[in-house]
Amino acid sequence: SAVISQKPSRDICQRGTSLTIQCQVDSQVTMMFWYRQQPGQSLTLIATANQGSEATYESGFVIDKFPISRPNLTFSTLTVSNMSPEDSSIYLCSVEVPNTGELFFGEGSRLTVL
Amino acid sequence: RKEVEQDPGPFNVPEGATVAFNCTYSNSASQSFFWYRQDCRKEPKLLMSVYSSGNEDGRFTAQLNRASQYISLLIRDSKLSDSATYLCVVNTNAGKSTFGDGTTLTVKP
Repeated sequence: SAVISQKPSRDICQRGTSLTIQCQVDSQVTMMFWYRQQPGQSLTLIATANQGSEATYESGFVIDKFPISRPNLTFSTLTVSNMSPEDSSIYLCSVEVPNTGELFFGEGSRLTVL
Repeated sequence: RKEVEQDPGPFNVPEGATVAFNCTYSNSASQSFFWYRQDCRKEPKLLMSVYSSGNEDGRFTAQLNRASQYISLLIRDSKLSDSATYLCVVNTNAGKSTFGDGTTLTVKP
């Protein structure tokens, strides 16, 4: 298993601003993922954070809106840029147990945009 | 059509009941399958992996039918603490996990 720390755990932000969410893992991992869970909905993959290269984004998500950093094998950040109320959601960092497909999640960052 | 579809629920059952959740997936190239549990305002946590041979963990039994692209989760002797949302998750060989919308279970005394 992996221990994943995310911060902030929650934030209330003004429209048009940006917020950076941090994810720290207690061990080196190859695959780190960022998910979004909108109110009452399931999880949607935003992107895969690759160490040493650009993140791989899923359809409907772009780097300008959700820039991601992955400076090493234990840390990643997700920025939600130029926020609007539609970005209000829980953002979850996740890591995969190698070769199993099993995922461990951080506790999530609950974002409210006014 | 969604890649992973689950019973919409909600399921409201009395303690001690047996309840079954169903899930279908559309990508025949899917390689691995899981059930996760998500409590209110918490992150999802792995409940169990699902194998073609079926697997059991205490009161929980998971089954996979690759021919029908169908996954199930059976909970026997339901406890109040089983109340949660259960997420069906399918993983392709490209390492991408797709989540179902979840089925909410409420176990009542």
